[in-house]
Amino acid sequence: EVQLVESGGVVVQPGGSLRLSCAASGFTFDDYTMHWVRQAPGKGLEWVSLISWDGGSTYYADSVKGRFTISRDNSKNSLYLQMNSLRTEDTALYYCANARGVVEPFDYWGQGTLVTVSS
Amino acid sequence: QSALTQPASVSGSPGQSITISCTGTSSDVGGYNYVSWYQQHPGKAPKLMIYEVSNRPSGVPDRFSGSKSGNTASLTISGLQAEDEADYYCSSYTSSSTPNWVFGGGTKLTVL
Repeated sequence: EVQLVESGGVVVQPGGSLRLSCAASGFTFDDYTMHWVRQAPGKGLEWVSLISWDGGSTYYADSVKGRFTISRDNSKNSLYLQMNSLRTEDTALYYCANARGVVEPFDYWGQGTLVTVSS
Repeated sequence: QSALTQPASVSGSPGQSITISCTGTSSDVGGYNYVSWYQQHPGKAPKLMIYEVSNRPSGVPDRFSGSKSGNTASLTISGLQAEDEADYYCSSYTSSSTPNWVFGGGTKLTVL
């Protein structure tokens, strides 16, 4: 059974930093592209970032480019999102999701971890 | 990146059919067959329902179908059931800036 478990979401002040983690199991992690997708409270889904199976390619939404960094550790079956210079508009539930390739759909999603940026 | 355009809400009675539209541009929906649809029940994670415009993952009922014409993709649910009541999001690969993905704003389906 595929499992994606996000962690690391907390309340943080504007301008602060945070690192999210996603622990994967039930599939061959290093065969998959991984994504972060977020959902602000009561709002729709917003794609944030993706990383290729080997970490060699990364892409970001314009809204987070230069502030967020996606990475992965295939030896630990883990995905990460380093979030710097946080803004109130970054407040959201952050999901990790897997995909068979860069242009493939998001097959499975975790349950999300909540990041709240507030003073 | 701009979100794809979906109706905010649709409704139908059990047994009826409904269609949700998803309008983009030639840089996303119209340019690629990488359109997918996700179902999200309240408090739950999204679930993949349709990929590559019209393909269903294993386990998704054949009541769900997808299509595309030009810059608009559509999700049709036939034989509506109470458990279909949920939010539905379309998504498309896009080349509008750096390669990435874009979502629609979501459609709330109410089964009357």
